[in-house]
Formats: sequence, C-alpha cells, structure tokens
Amino acid sequence: GENVEQHPSTLSVQEGDSAVIKCTYSDSASNYFPWYKQELGKRPQLIIDIRSNVGEKKDQRIAVTLNKTAKHFSLHITETQPEDSAVYFCAARMNSGYSTLTFGKGTMLLVSP
Amino acid sequence: KAGVTQTPRYLIKTRGQQVTLSCSPISGHRSVSWYQQTPGQGLQFLFEYFSETQRNKGNFPGRFSGRQFSNSRSEMNVSTLELGDSALYLCASSLGMGSYEQYFGPGTRLTVT
Repeated sequence: GENVEQHPSTLSVQEGDSAVIKCTYSDSASNYFPWYKQELGKRPQLIIDIRSNVGEKKDQRIAVTLNKTAKHFSLHITETQPEDSAVYFCAARMNSGYSTLTFGKGTMLLVSP
Repeated sequence: KAGVTQTPRYLIKTRGQQVTLSCSPISGHRSVSWYQQTPGQGLQFLFEYFSETQRNKGNFPGRFSGRQFSNSRSEMNVSTLELGDSALYLCASSLGMGSYEQYFGPGTRLTVT
C-alpha cells in the first residue's frame, strides 16, 4: 500500500518568514495530493491540492509543488502570520477508483509574532 | 451548502461496550470515508462507502464496521471497545465520481475507560 512520509514534525518561524513542509510518497500510481490544516480542536480543512498532471499550484500565500519523478511534494507558505499556526497534513490518493487518502504524520507549524 | 456533520460530538464508554457513530455528508456527496485520529498514529483510514457499498477497507480489526444508507448518511460501529479505541473519529465526504476533494466533519471524540 501507499506510505507517506512528512517532514519536519515541528516547524517554528517568525511572522513574515516563509515555511516549507515536505512529503514523500511510495506508490507511483498516486495521482492526487491534498494538504489539510487542522487547528486545535477543529476539523482538518482542505487548503490546497494538486493532481499528478500539474507541477505547481498557487493560491494567494500558499503553493504546492509536485515532483513525480522523485515522488515528493511540498507545501510553501509565504509571509506567515500567527493565524497560520496549526498542524498541517499532507496526503496521497492512489489512482485506484477509491477515495482513500493516506496521510503523513503531520507538521506542527508555530508562527511567532 | 451545509458541511459534513457528525453525531455525537463526544462519547464516554467503558471497555467491552459497543458504540455507533453517525455521519451526514454534504448534500450530493455519495462517498463517505472514515478515519481514526490519534496522537501517536495520526490519521488512519478505516473504510469508505459509496452508494451503500463498502468499496475499500483499512487495516483495522473486524470489531470496526460500518454501513451507508440510501441518503448517503453513514454509521460506523465499534464493538467490544478497548482502551486503545479512544480517539477522534472523523468522517469525510466527497462526490465520489472523479472528484477527489474530501471534506471532513468535526469528528466524534470517543473516550474508553
């Protein structure tokens, strides 16, 4: 089955800095890679996603890049703000017809004012 | 549209009991997936239902089961509860037909004593 590794497990940055979270996946058949943000006590919220036929996608301050050859994808957050503090999860979906997502273990991002 | 809802939000049970959790997907969504979230293991896939059929199952014992009704609402059941079943149980809904985005409910926090 699919395996997703996520690094780092914690990331502390100053407000205004950029943050990068990286994930690798094992199954080359995976074709969809979403990122979720989970604030304390809240549900995971889909913030951005990318399909395997696209190399990069941006939405305001966040972007995701995908390298299919190396089987890794990354989340980039620019001009971080304290409200970006949360746990971020990457995930991968196999091209199997199912909706099953395999998640990384999560990255706790702390943005200090 | 209303988001994914889950009931109850909190449950306290004792070992050996059974529990049933409910999930109502976003209107029009036909796929419901269930995940177990724990601090140590992160988000782990339990099962996925589409049009009342279980079409994928994760690596959990047979004590974990589920079903989906004709209105796409889904329930999961855990029998003979163990202390290790204490977790946040999240369901996620998606259209299920070529659309990959999954949206999570608020979760049910289950505590087994």
